Amino acid sequence: DAGITQSPRHKVTETGTPVTLRCHQTENHRYMYWYRQDPGHGLRLIHYSYGVKDTDKGEVSDGYSVSRSKTEDFLLTLESATSSQTSVYFCAISELSAARETQYFGPGTRLLVL
Amino acid sequence: GESVGLHLPTLSVQEGDNSIINCAYSNSASDYFIWYKQESGKGPQFIIDIRSNMDKRQGQRVTVLLNKTVKHLSLQIAATQPGDSAVYFCAENSKGGNKLVFGAGTILRVKS
Repeated sequence: DAGITQSPRHKVTETGTPVTLRCHQTENHRYMYWYRQDPGHGLRLIHYSYGVKDTDKGEVSDGYSVSRSKTEDFLLTLESATSSQTSVYFCAISELSAARETQYFGPGTRLLVL
Repeated sequence: GESVGLHLPTLSVQEGDNSIINCAYSNSASDYFIWYKQESGKGPQFIIDIRSNMDKRQGQRVTVLLNKTVKHLSLQIAATQPGDSAVYFCAENSKGGNKLVFGAGTILRVKS
């Protein structure tokens, strides 16, 4: 998985609780991305980062926030989890922008919000 | 994982045959295309990519064809093996953009 780890790998939480997912890379790549994957949908971009402290929204960013204080770590936070956020979350990285090279994905985090 | 497979088109092929997986894209401004493979319970894995200044690109046992006229992308897998069984996604990038847009995927099942 191209030097990408995600933690936790599985999580069960209750509606209304905060949840933070961590993506860690050892490749020193500039770009990092958070996606969610749901049945019947392709991967959908939540947020991405193009450098330390530089982030931007994706197509499904409502209810999510991100932070990147170090090159190697990109955190995704659900401030108050809802059942609609039950999903599989993938982190991805790339050295160049999405227009210029492929993204490499981590193993995913399965999140269940009860 | 297994839940990704719901409602996706499925292609079943015999081991040793060639497979062709198709993808239609909608944005004529897209100029970079990627194929990914996703096995159950794992993250997507890069297979091959192609830029819009090319019609064809070959890798090891895989070929990607791009038809810009009809906005169609295909992935050909030669001598399909049981290990090729997975969900295959295409992704596109609009010229100059920082984001990829993914298709929903196609399930490939290889029969031994």
